[in-house]
Amino acid sequence: AQKITQTQPGMFVQEKEAVTLDCTYDTSDPSYGLFWYKQPSSGEMIFLIYQGSYDQQNATEGRYSLNFQKARKSANLVISASQLGDSAMYFCAMRENTGFQKLVFGTGTRLLVSP
Amino acid sequence: DGGITQSPKYLFRKEGQNVTLSCEQNLNHDAMYWYRQDPGQGLRLIYYSQIVNDFQKGDIAEGYSVSREKKESFPLTVTSAQKNPTAFYLCASSMLDRGLADTQYFGPGTRLTVL
Repeated sequence: AQKITQTQPGMFVQEKEAVTLDCTYDTSDPSYGLFWYKQPSSGEMIFLIYQGSYDQQNATEGRYSLNFQKARKSANLVISASQLGDSAMYFCAMRENTGFQKLVFGTGTRLLVSP
Repeated sequence: DGGITQSPKYLFRKEGQNVTLSCEQNLNHDAMYWYRQDPGQGLRLIYYSQIVNDFQKGDIAEGYSVSREKKESFPLTVTSAQKNPTAFYLCASSMLDRGLADTQYFGPGTRLTVL
């Protein structure tokens, strides 16, 4: 079964607008962590934000926030005031609290920011 | 500057040859990882190491080998047994002190093409 689902293969947004990238996950473990990474065309994966399953508040890091809806098993990334440099692939990932606690990645969403 | 370096950036290999991808980190991280990324896909774990002289298979270890003789270095060898080695390879490292919140930081990647 797919652990992480990113249903939007591509998203378009105009500069300075906000955009939401969707991520749903599947786990029966009550303890888990959720991550978002950005991958520009250069290829390097850049860590953006982390949310723990027991965190009471939604995580925020600058222009990035994570809209965490535990009951719906969704962890959407919200980018406020989009910039041209935000154009990239975005990956959602999850770590469960079992065994090695490996990261499992979704297939990504390509974001294109237009002027 | 602290970070993760991978070399070479691009690598071409003839069928039947083994090649070794380099990964070095100066972040003093305990754990290191190798991932493979295919077009339109998320990352898949090849091997990981939590301590020097010890490493474990990930989800797609067949046709690959690693070593961890130094904390800073985790080279990946793509052997001739790997049936479809053309892909983008990413190395990552992390501390192991925050449990689920341990964040993996990535290198710039190596793009391997088999001719």
